[in-house]
Amino acid sequence: DTGVSQDPRHKITKRGQNVTFRCDPISEHNRLYWYRQTLGQGPEFLTYFQNEAQLEKSRLLSDRFSAERPKGSFSTLEIQRTEQGDSAMYLCASSQFGTTNTGELFFGEGSRLTVL
Amino acid sequence: GNSVTQMEGPVTLSEEAFLTINCTYTATGYPSLFWYVQYPGEGLQLLLKATKADDKGSNKGFEATYRKETTSFHLEKGSVQVSDSAVYFCALRGGSEKLVFGKGTKLTVNP
Repeated sequence: DTGVSQDPRHKITKRGQNVTFRCDPISEHNRLYWYRQTLGQGPEFLTYFQNEAQLEKSRLLSDRFSAERPKGSFSTLEIQRTEQGDSAMYLCASSQFGTTNTGELFFGEGSRLTVL
Repeated sequence: GNSVTQMEGPVTLSEEAFLTINCTYTATGYPSLFWYVQYPGEGLQLLLKATKADDKGSNKGFEATYRKETTSFHLEKGSVQVSDSAVYFCALRGGSEKLVFGKGTKLTVNP
């Protein structure tokens, strides 16, 4: 296992289009997180899953954003009707929650979205 | 709500200089505290952590001590190297499972 992988690494789209990002976590990890990072800022929490259940969503996650983790493995983050303000780096992270929980999140390299 | 404030950069140092990056936090209860690092072209990775007051996290020559009385978790290294050039993020985890990050501090170390 080579870690958390995200696809695509960079997406350029026109305003109003829909985009979807995929995240493949570390295989044995049961928790998966999405964060958004804009230039000069730290990552901001969007949502997280434990297995296939979405346990928490930030108020940053407007109704144009939807995330799924249908089989408790990979996850997708879809943004509908993109706006220029959606331009950011979208980060995925995973962790193992349980008796050996260390609190550490393992991050992917991110998917950069540019909305023209 | 929970928040993290860290020293704004960028910070530029010469090799072997002493490094301090300040981080203070606001949280209810007893959060866990973390420093993450992002090297150029790579994802964020955990550098060190502390889960209770007076704990000292350490890794790769970096240290940070969880100070509840001053709500701080300052990052220090006695002698930085060019390879330490990166962006450093202070973060906390409170009652929720999510991490709350500071804005990041970019460090450049010159030979």
